[in-house]
Amino acid sequence: AQSVTQLGSHVSVSEGALVLLRCNYSSSVPPYLFWYVQYPNQGLQLLLKYTTGATLVKGINGFEAEFKKSETSFHLTKPSAHMSDAAEYFCAVSENFGNEKLTFGTGTRLTIIP
Amino acid sequence: EPEVTQTPSHQVTQMGQEVILRCVPISNHLYFYWYRQILGQKVEFLVSFYNNEISEKSEIFDDQFSVERPDGSNFTLKIRSTKLEDSAMYFCASSALVGNGYTFGSGTRLTVV
Repeated sequence: AQSVTQLGSHVSVSEGALVLLRCNYSSSVPPYLFWYVQYPNQGLQLLLKYTTGATLVKGINGFEAEFKKSETSFHLTKPSAHMSDAAEYFCAVSENFGNEKLTFGTGTRLTIIP
Repeated sequence: EPEVTQTPSHQVTQMGQEVILRCVPISNHLYFYWYRQILGQKVEFLVSFYNNEISEKSEIFDDQFSVERPDGSNFTLKIRSTKLEDSAMYFCASSALVGNGYTFGSGTRLTVV
């Protein structure tokens, strides 16, 4: 069975500072990994995904994530936080193909301090 | 950019009533899903649907739930007799072929009173 652990339910960073949101996964097969963002009262928007190939993936809004198999991690980073990045971020995993069900982490609420 | 459309955005219903949540997936997508998010909790998988049948369902998706694709464009989730604990945000999603990830709708907030 697959699972996702997001360390830190709340993260606060200053505007312009590095954003680091942590995600560790467990999967019995090579995983497909995703980061979604949820702005208040909105749906889930795909930030980026890892399927195969290059382990450093770039997404929208300047975010990127690196798949590290040895650490079973897929941490999300952004070099310089912007006020508009304040949202809830969810890491998710699926087994194979990306069309299987997604298992989500509990989410990390990112607050940006002016 | 293509969107998954969900209606209504908010529905209030009395306990014991039937509700139907509606979704219009992206037109060339083949896989369809329902997820829910109880307030303050994580997003949970309910059911996946492919080729006009359920391909997988979670233990949450009991006999009170059903899904249908009645006309080739809509994808509906029916809850037969709602309970207070069914109050949640329900997300519809669709995906195309391998590895694309999902596109989620903006959700329907269901409040059972």
